Parts: sequence; C-alpha cells; structure tokens
Amino acid sequence: DAMVIQNPRYQVTQFGKPVTLSCSQTLNHNVMYWYQQKSSQAPKLLFHYYDKDFNNEADTPDNFQSRRPNTSFCFLDIRSPGLGDAAMYLCATSRGRIQETQYFGPGTRLLVL
Amino acid sequence: AQSVSQHNHHVILSEAASLELGCNYSYGGTVNLFWYVQYPGQHLQLLLKYFSGDPLVKGIKGFEAEFIKSKFSFNLRKPSVQWSDTAEYFCAVTPGNTDKLIFGTGTRLQVFP
Repeated sequence: DAMVIQNPRYQVTQFGKPVTLSCSQTLNHNVMYWYQQKSSQAPKLLFHYYDKDFNNEADTPDNFQSRRPNTSFCFLDIRSPGLGDAAMYLCATSRGRIQETQYFGPGTRLLVL
Repeated sequence: AQSVSQHNHHVILSEAASLELGCNYSYGGTVNLFWYVQYPGQHLQLLLKYFSGDPLVKGIKGFEAEFIKSKFSFNLRKPSVQWSDTAEYFCAVTPGNTDKLIFGTGTRLQVFP
C-alpha cells in the first residue's frame, strides 16, 4: 500500500561520484517535492515539479538537479557529492499546489565517504 | 524570512501525562498549518492540519491543535499520552497561496511507561 516509494533507503557514495536517488508515487499527484534533512534540522525544500514545470529554490546548490520523466517518477541527481551533502533526502507529493497535504516517502539516507 | 519555531526540542513524559508542544511562525498573512509525526524508522505522516474555519483542529490518535492567529501559534495537545506516541513531531506552515512547506526543527517526544 506504499504511496510514495523511495529507493534505495540507504545510499553510500564516494566524494565527487555522481549519485541518483529515486522516488515514485502511486497517488497520481501532480506535484512532487524533494527535501533535504540534515541531522537535528528541519527538512528543507530543494525543488519541486508541478507536473512538468520545474521550480528550484533560490538557495539550492547547482550540484543538485532533478528529473521527472513522467507523473509517477522523480529523480534527484547530485552531480558531485561533497561531505556536506550527507543527509536524509525526502520525497513528497501533493495533489495540487494550494491548500494541499504533502505525503512523504520514507526517505533515502545518503552517506558520502 | 519566514520561519517556524518549535521551542521544545526534547520532551520526556510518563504515560497518561498531558502534552503540549509549542509552535510559532513568522508570517503576517494567511497561512496553512500542519503537524507531522515521524515514528522511529518511519516516514513523516500527517497528524492534523488547519486551512480555515474552526481554529481548534482534531487529528488522529487523540491529538488536537489550536490556531491562535493573534499569537502566530499552532500548539499541539494531547490530554493523555501513550508509550506509542514516542516520536518526532514537526510543525509546518505554508504561507499564503504557496505550496512551500516550511518546517520547524522538530520536537522529540519520549514517553515512558
């Protein structure tokens, strides 16, 4: 019955080695979000897609990219991970943009060696 | 900048004790308010939300929250906690007609039998 699925749950990568995290949803929601959550901090929005329309937060580093090939899938690409990018990455979806609830996946914990 | 403050970082209670977790936000206009809960090893789940109407909102598992506009607050309450309420609780806000969810840093609740 999982509605927002993230794979893998744990990802280990090397410093500077590109990594891709994936998110899929069975809710047929229009909006998909990516958040970064570092230890003991609040989740922080990186970017989101409203359908195919990409919306980047102003302070999201260029190192972070995203793709949404279809309604169900969204990917987070980290081009050259640094030690500071080690975090939990959360995917969320919502039906629309205004006055909507966001539904979260379990997250992928990224470790950078 | 818009922000959400949760002043209680770590709360320890015995079962049957009453709970109140504080949440304040800094935004002068219309807001949508949420409480999310994250049980150990699980994903963020919606506990309750306020969009409009009755400022006293009831959520799942006996939780409720009260929106006090004059105090910019949305405190979470439960009259009698259970061991199974042990979790991290996040207050979140979407300002105005946006979908940008701004989280507080969370409150870790530990309930002892």
